Amino acid sequence: QVQLQESGPGLVKPSETLSLTCSVSGGSISSYYWSWIRQPPGKGLEWIGYIYNNGGTNYNPSLKSRVTISLDTSKNQFSLNLTSVTAADTAVYYCARRGAGGSTEFDYWGQGTLVTVSS
Amino acid sequence: SYELTQPASVSVSPGQTASITCSGDKLGDKYVCWYQQKPGQPPVLVIYQDSNRPSGIPERFSGSNSGNTATLTISGTQAMDEADYYCQAWDSSTVVFGGGTKLTVL
Repeated sequence: QVQLQESGPGLVKPSETLSLTCSVSGGSISSYYWSWIRQPPGKGLEWIGYIYNNGGTNYNPSLKSRVTISLDTSKNQFSLNLTSVTAADTAVYYCARRGAGGSTEFDYWGQGTLVTVSS
Repeated sequence: SYELTQPASVSVSPGQTASITCSGDKLGDKYVCWYQQKPGQPPVLVIYQDSNRPSGIPERFSGSNSGNTATLTISGTQAMDEADYYCQAWDSSTVVFGGGTKLTVL
């Protein structure tokens, strides 16, 4: 059974960089799209971006200038960097896997990690 | 940018049928999936590719997609189905979520 687990600081200061890692177990990180999705408290889901196993990426246009997603296949992990954060970036951050082949859905999700932006 | 619109809330009596809509321009030309999210938990996929149920999802969950509207239908709604529901689609290689619908079973 594939499992995803987010890790990283729960508190980030304004203007600094938010960095999170998603560790994948129970399966290889190859041959899938890996995404970050966030959810501000009491609000809906917002897609941040994805990375494919060849390193190709695509980001939400509204966040593109501040986001980098990277892949470490040797550790079966992928990471999120979000620069110049503000209080509006406070959210639960989820990592998720898009299914194989031509699938369009996220079939596995991490439990999520709350990141608060505050001084 | 592409937008998906859902009603903010839907109410249903136990045992009745709940329908949650998701609207977007020419949505029927795209695959839509649906997630259920309960408080403090990550979303769970309940419908993918418009109308398919993942293993373990009860048969009372069904989906359809045509024209500009996709619909999640829950037949014989149970108290455990009370949750937030999100539709999701892809547009131009980006992922779009609907704003979410709170389903109340009362």
